[in-house]
Amino acid sequence: EVQLLESGGGLVQPGGSLRLSCAASGFILSNFAMNWVRQAPGKGLEWVASVSGSGDITSFADSVRGRFSISRDNSKNTLFLQMNSLRVDDTAVYYCARGRKVGLTPWFDFWGQGALVTVSS
Amino acid sequence: QSVLTQPPSVSAAPGQKVTISCSGSSSNIGNHNVSWYQQFPGTAPKLLMYENNKRPSGIPDRFSGSKSGTSATLGITGLQTGDEADYYCGTWDGSLSVSVFGGGTQLTVL
Repeated sequence: EVQLLESGGGLVQPGGSLRLSCAASGFILSNFAMNWVRQAPGKGLEWVASVSGSGDITSFADSVRGRFSISRDNSKNTLFLQMNSLRVDDTAVYYCARGRKVGLTPWFDFWGQGALVTVSS
Repeated sequence: QSVLTQPPSVSAAPGQKVTISCSGSSSNIGNHNVSWYQQFPGTAPKLLMYENNKRPSGIPDRFSGSKSGTSATLGITGLQTGDEADYYCGTWDGSLSVSVFGGGTQLTVL
């Protein structure tokens, strides 16, 4: 059974940093691209970042580029999201999601339960 | 504002059929497949449809998907109260080089 379990969320002041982790089980992590998708309170879904199966290719939404980094440790079946220079509008539930792809079009077939990040003074 | 446009809400009676639209452009839906996600309050999204009209294992055939031009549609027949949720469409935008989602549609089964 595929399972994704996020951790590391919490309350942080504007300008601060936080690192999210996503523990994966039930599949071979290195075989899949992985993603972070966030959802601000009462709002819709926003794709944040993705990383290739080997970890050598990353991409980011404009809203987080230069502040967030994504990485993975396939030997430990774990995905990470390092968030720096956090802003109030980064407040959201952050989901890790497994990626699938045909051609250029990705979709997200399994999602974690989410980690709440609150940026507030 | 979302790149993909969905109606904020739709409603229908139990047993009836409902459709949820997702409108985009040539840079996204017009040239890429669409996926759909179901989200109950306080829970994670769940994949409902991928590659426009393919259902993952476990998704009943009451759910269907289609795409035409720069729009996609999710159809749900035999509505049940348990279908009440938010539904999101998603795809790739080749001009922005990012995955994009619609703003979501809240389904109410009256």
